[in-house]
Amino acid sequence: GNSVTQMEGPVTLSEEAFLTINCTYTATGYPSLFWYVQYPGEGLQLLLKATKADDKGSNKGFEATYRKETTSFHLEKGSVQVSDSAVYFCALSEGTSYDKVIFGPGTSLSVIP
Amino acid sequence: DGGITQSPKYLFRKEGQNVTLSCEQNLNHDAMYWYRQDPGQGLRLIYYSQIVNDFQKGDIAEGYSVSREKKESFPLTVTSAQKNPTAFYLCASSRGEAGNTIYFGEGSWLTVV
Repeated sequence: GNSVTQMEGPVTLSEEAFLTINCTYTATGYPSLFWYVQYPGEGLQLLLKATKADDKGSNKGFEATYRKETTSFHLEKGSVQVSDSAVYFCALSEGTSYDKVIFGPGTSLSVIP
Repeated sequence: DGGITQSPKYLFRKEGQNVTLSCEQNLNHDAMYWYRQDPGQGLRLIYYSQIVNDFQKGDIAEGYSVSREKKESFPLTVTSAQKNPTAFYLCASSRGEAGNTIYFGEGSWLTVV
């Protein structure tokens, strides 16, 4: 079945460091891919998305490129801030069934001054 | 502003009692979802609904019930049959088509005392 794998956390970085959170997926077709962010005690917010191969999603300095050949959707940011501390979820949506949204386990990021 | 409203934000329940979590959306979305999130873990799907008066079990439906009498409302009842109900509950909605973004509410914390 379809699945999403993320790098295990927690990840701790100093402010202005480069961030990469790895995400790989398994799917039988052509899924849409998403990154969601969850700040402490809140719901999930869409950070960015990509709907087809080679698309790049971007928002708030974060980027991720849909790589079909490596089945990956790694999240990157060139210079993290303390306010980026949160949990990041990779997810995929595939097929004609609306319920087929699969979330990864989440990666916790802490950015220290 | 359009969005998803969950209430209450915090709820305490005595063992053996049922409790209902409210979820209302004004995004005109067809599909609505309930997820459960345990501390440090990912999301697990409880129930989902694609249209009014129809809903389907997710991965962990036992001990929960839902109704979808109106398009904008999808309340979740946590029954006394749910053995370990203490968790963070997230309601979400989407247009209901493959690849659509899922939008989340702010969540409800349920604690059994």
